[in-house]
Amino acid sequence: KAGVTQTPRYLIKTRGQQVTLSCSPISGHRSVSWYQQTPGQGLQFLFEYFSETQRNKGNFPGRFSGRQFSNSRSEMNVSTLELGDSALYLCASSLVAGVNYGYTFGSGTRLTVV
Amino acid sequence: AQKVTQAQTEISVVEKEDVTLDCVYETRDTTYYLFWYKQPPSGELVFLIRRNSFDEQNEISGRYSWNFQKSTSSFNFTITASQVVDSAVYFCALSEGNQFYFGTGTSLTVIP
Repeated sequence: KAGVTQTPRYLIKTRGQQVTLSCSPISGHRSVSWYQQTPGQGLQFLFEYFSETQRNKGNFPGRFSGRQFSNSRSEMNVSTLELGDSALYLCASSLVAGVNYGYTFGSGTRLTVV
Repeated sequence: AQKVTQAQTEISVVEKEDVTLDCVYETRDTTYYLFWYKQPPSGELVFLIRRNSFDEQNEISGRYSWNFQKSTSSFNFTITASQVVDSAVYFCALSEGNQFYFGTGTSLTVIP
């Protein structure tokens, strides 16, 4: 059974650009969540999608957005990149919605903004 | 205030020693869930355990055991007879309502 797949694994972008990250959940999982991990702030929740609808959102500016497709695949977009957006972005999937069930995580996308 | 506190930033032990990773949480909810995750160098977070607030039974899974004490708001994780493969960053997490909070992690190094 394939795990959570995130692409690309590594990305380098210039300040001011925008970026789109992709996440394919485990087959059958309908909930996808995104997290940002930085040395300074640790792991922070970005948002959760279930059945193409955003259910929860963390405390991030509007430059961070996401969406989920009918096949449960999800994309995360960050516009007008800032140096502070450099981080490991982790995607996680779950069979059901809600953070109470825990997640299966992907290996992440390492974004570097220069 | 931190919802989940992992006071130990880094721990080093010699192989076969036992090690306990501390986790203290803060919540006003009566229903909540606690988790432990392992993050090896590859970056992927690996789910280890989930515990709900109504189940204070300690749990043992092989060399891993967890001690949940509501009276002290702690959910500690013990690895018995540690192995080099246990080297990783371990995160404790709290789920309350619709929010999920991770601790800052404890980096465990097991020296052969």
